[in-house]
Amino acid sequence: KAGVTQTPRYLIKTRGQQVTLSCSPISGHRSVSWYQQTPGQGLQFLFEYFSETQRNKGNFPGRFSGRQFSNSRSEMNVSTLELGDSALYLCASSATGPTLEQYFGPGTRLTVT
Amino acid sequence: GDSVTQMEGPVTLSEEAFLTINCTYTATGYPSLFWYVQYPGEGLQLLLKATKADDKGSNKGFEATYRKETTSFHLEKGSVQVSDSAVYFCALSRNYGGSQGNLIFGKGTKLSVKP
Repeated sequence: KAGVTQTPRYLIKTRGQQVTLSCSPISGHRSVSWYQQTPGQGLQFLFEYFSETQRNKGNFPGRFSGRQFSNSRSEMNVSTLELGDSALYLCASSATGPTLEQYFGPGTRLTVT
Repeated sequence: GDSVTQMEGPVTLSEEAFLTINCTYTATGYPSLFWYVQYPGEGLQLLLKATKADDKGSNKGFEATYRKETTSFHLEKGSVQVSDSAVYFCALSRNYGGSQGNLIFGKGTKLSVKP
């Protein structure tokens, strides 16, 4: 079974621009979560989508948004980029039911200059 | 709110040494507990998990026991290898009617194993 894939793997953007990251979950998984990883703040939860609905949201500004499509693929968007948005963005998928396991993709490394 | 505290790194060990990485948590109710590992340039991989008190998770020689009385989930391995060099994250999640809530992570502990 193919794992979680994220595109692109690396991205360089300029302050003020916007960016869209993509995540394809493991086949059959309906939940997709996004996390931001930085050296200073560590791993922080952004949001979770399940069946195209945002089910849970972390403490991030409204510049961070996401969506999920009917095939469970998810995108996250960051508008008006700031230098502090430079991070590794990780996507994780999980199946329904009490499996309680999230499977992570390799991440997208975003650098804001 | 819920939180996870794990020992600061980096931890440097010689091959075949015994490993312990301490992890304690603060949470109401009965969270599930996890250890994830991150190799350089990669995402996170689930190493092991425990879903209730006294459960022992184990995988690839690593073990951790869910201790509710001490709110701990320490990671141990009897004999580390160079290939175990990575960053290890302790995490918890709350359970919502059988579905997993978001993961709350510790800061991570970098392990370096020397030959």
